[in-house]
This record gives sequence, structure tokens and C-alpha cells, in this order.
Amino acid sequence: NAGVTQTPKFRILKIGQSMTLQCTQDMNHNYMYWYRQDPGMGLKLIYYSVGAGITDKGEVPNGYNVSRSTTEDFPLRLELAAPSQTSVYFCASSYAGGGNQPQHFGDGTRLSIL
Amino acid sequence: AQSVTQPDIHITVSEGASLELRCNYSYGATPYLFWYVQSPGQGLQLLLKYFSGDTLVQGIKGFEAEFKRSQSSFNLRKPSVHWSDAAEYFCAVGARGNDMRFGAGTRLTVKP
Repeated sequence: NAGVTQTPKFRILKIGQSMTLQCTQDMNHNYMYWYRQDPGMGLKLIYYSVGAGITDKGEVPNGYNVSRSTTEDFPLRLELAAPSQTSVYFCASSYAGGGNQPQHFGDGTRLSIL
Repeated sequence: AQSVTQPDIHITVSEGASLELRCNYSYGATPYLFWYVQSPGQGLQLLLKYFSGDTLVQGIKGFEAEFKRSQSSFNLRKPSVHWSDAAEYFCAVGARGNDMRFGAGTRLTVKP
């Protein structure tokens, strides 16, 4: 069972470059999420999606964009990379929303911006 | 909005000793509560969850947690820790809607 798959696992970017973090899930989950994890800060929600074609901002959306053209895929785009975006990024999915659904996580993408 | 506090950033226990990780939440209604574990280089894995009913919930890997409404707490326990339990543990609280908030995490070190 693949679950939630994130690529790449590691990436180094220069300031001002752009990139897309890929996330795909094979569980037919409607809800998908992007988090960033910084040391001592836990996970902060960047964007989430409740289904194909529907996305919404989370707690820390600035500097990021998302799209959801299919149920399976939920890419996260950084347009102009900044050092403050150095972090570990996790994609997650859940069958439904409502706050009572456990989320299934990918293994993360470690991103450094220099 | 709901919030979660994990007071202990780092805990060290000896293998075979008991473990308790603390979690306090803030939320106006009955919360949905979760504990996740994160091994190095991996994503978060669900250990257990509480929605309602029995306040003592059992999870995977021999973990349990107790919901105490009067103390706004949901502490994670294990009677005997194994070296493989060394990881980071996150408490999370879900609310109505699609919002889940995570604590800052507690890193567990297990001494041989």
C-alpha cells in the first residue's frame, strides 16, 4: 500500500527560484493537506483541499499556491523561494473532514533555500 | 480556535521504565483528540484517537491515553518503554470544520 507519496525527498533551492512539491495518494481520500514543520513549532497548515477543484487557505499560506485537478494529486508550488521557507513539508490526506478524521501522512520533503 | 500545548520538549527514560507524555488542549466544546508518532525521516503515524465515550483509549504499540475534561488533558502513557519507541510524539486536537491543530511535539530518548 503506497498511501501518501511525496516527491522529492530533499531539495536545495536558491533564493528566488520556484519549484513544485508533488503529493499523490491512492486511498481515494477527498481531503488533502499541506503542512510545514519547523523545529519546536509542530505542524502548521499551509493549504487544504476538500475535493478536486476546491482549495482553501490554512494558517500560513503566504508564499505558496496549490491546485487540485484530480482526487489523487495535490501539488504545492513555491513561486519565489525565500529563506523563511526552509522547512520540512508534509502532505496528508483523510477520507473526510470535520476535525474527527485521522490524517495519513507522507514521509515529507526537506527543503533548504540558500 | 483550538490550541494544543505539550509542556515537555524532550524526555529521556530508561528502557523498561514507564512513560507519560503530557498534552493540554484549549477548546470550547468536546474536542477530537489524537496522538501521532514521528520516527526520524518519516511522516506522522496515528497512535490513537479519542472522540467520545470511554475516557481511556488504547492505541497501537502498547500505548494508551486518558482524556480528562476537568484538566483539559490527554496524556499518553506506556507501562514499559522499548528502545524502538524513541521518536517524536505529537498531540493534536480537531475541531468542527476542517481544522486540526498540532502541538510542538515531545522528543523521546530511550536509554539502554
